[in-house]
Amino acid sequence: AQSVTQLGSHVSVSEGALVLLRCNYSSSVPPYLFWYVQYPNQGLQLLLKYTSAATLVKGINGFEAEFKKSETSFHLTKPSAHMSDAAEYFCAVSLGDKIIFGKGTRLHILP
Amino acid sequence: NAGVMQNPRHLVRRRGQEARLRCSPMKGHSHVYWYRQLPEEGLKFMVYLQKENIIDESGMPKERFSAEFPKEGPSILRIQQVVRGDSAAYFCASSPPTSGITSGANVLTFGAGSRLTVL
Repeated sequence: AQSVTQLGSHVSVSEGALVLLRCNYSSSVPPYLFWYVQYPNQGLQLLLKYTSAATLVKGINGFEAEFKKSETSFHLTKPSAHMSDAAEYFCAVSLGDKIIFGKGTRLHILP
Repeated sequence: NAGVMQNPRHLVRRRGQEARLRCSPMKGHSHVYWYRQLPEEGLKFMVYLQKENIIDESGMPKERFSAEFPKEGPSILRIQQVVRGDSAAYFCASSPPTSGITSGANVLTFGAGSRLTVL
């Protein structure tokens, strides 16, 4: 069965530093993978999605993620953190038409 | 082009009452999903519906919870005889119709959520 594991429920980085949020998936078939972001008191918004067209996927707000089959990973990165990036980030995998989410990682940006 | 509309945004109920949460999908979207979010637990899938059909309700508690998506009108998540443990944020999402080749790749568009508090 498909599932995702996000390592670290809270991550803190300094403004301007590299952001790395980890996600590992398990899937018996080539997966579709997603990253969503949730700002306080809002619903989730799509950052990017992987659909096997390219292993490096670029998303909105300068985020990107790389699909690594050998590591079953789909980590999210951003070269330079901004205060506005403070939010909760969810990795997700599709199971047919159903999307399964990880538990989320809350990103804190330190001034 | 309105997004996914959920109402009410906040709902307070006493134990034993009923809660009804409504969701209007994006225009052109025929699939509706309901998720429950609790702190530190992420989003838990509850149910996936198309018009007049429940496709997958594997995440729905067996008792007190039900969902529908009628031919006309919004999707409704109904919780009967609420208990304190039902307090959570309930998110609805919608997606367009899928075809075999794109099934699984569709992006979900989320509403802003309905926050249920049970006193």
